[in-house]
Amino acid sequence: NAGVTQTPKFRVLKTGQSMTLLCAQDMNHEYMYWYRQDPGMGLRLIHYSVGEGTTAKGEVPDGYNVSRLKKQNFLLGLESAAPSQTSVYFCASSYPITGELFFGEGSRLTVL
Amino acid sequence: AQRVTQPEKLLSVFKGAPVELKCNYSYSGSPELFWYVQYSRQRLQLLLRHISRESIKGFTADLNKGETSFHLKKPFAQEEDSAMYYCALLLTGGGNKLTFGTGTQLKVEL
Repeated sequence: NAGVTQTPKFRVLKTGQSMTLLCAQDMNHEYMYWYRQDPGMGLRLIHYSVGEGTTAKGEVPDGYNVSRLKKQNFLLGLESAAPSQTSVYFCASSYPITGELFFGEGSRLTVL
Repeated sequence: AQRVTQPEKLLSVFKGAPVELKCNYSYSGSPELFWYVQYSRQRLQLLLRHISRESIKGFTADLNKGETSFHLKKPFAQEEDSAMYYCALLLTGGGNKLTFGTGTQLKVEL
């Protein structure tokens, strides 16, 4: 099992460009999450999903959109990238209730 | 507000010395707390959770509701313990959401 897979792992964008980060999990987890990790800020929740076809806002949702069309996939979109969105993005998935999240390896995004 | 505070960005100890990584939380209900660890070039992973009251890799953490703390302890640090440690609180409102502290980088020196 691959677990949680994120693509791409690295990306450089110019301000105003758009892009999509893809997260795929093969553990049949109901819940999926997108976090961003910034120095001195820890991990902050962007959006999450409790099941196929559902999404919800987290702590820092502005500037991002998400979709969960299939249970195994959770997409994070940036419609118009800004330098403030330079970060490492982590996808995670879990079964309900347990509190144990399984993380991907991260995607490093730089916005110039 | 639900919040997790890790006051130390960096903790440096010698091999064999005791380790204590501090975590304080703010939460109005009954908290569920976790420690996650990220070793160099590895994924963030669960280390332990307070409800299981187990020792993992020699680490333990006791929930102290009076002091609203969940400090991570190990009596004798090993070089392989060097990593970034995050304390996390399970949030209410469904979705199994975790709020993380800012993390503490543990460096074990020889």
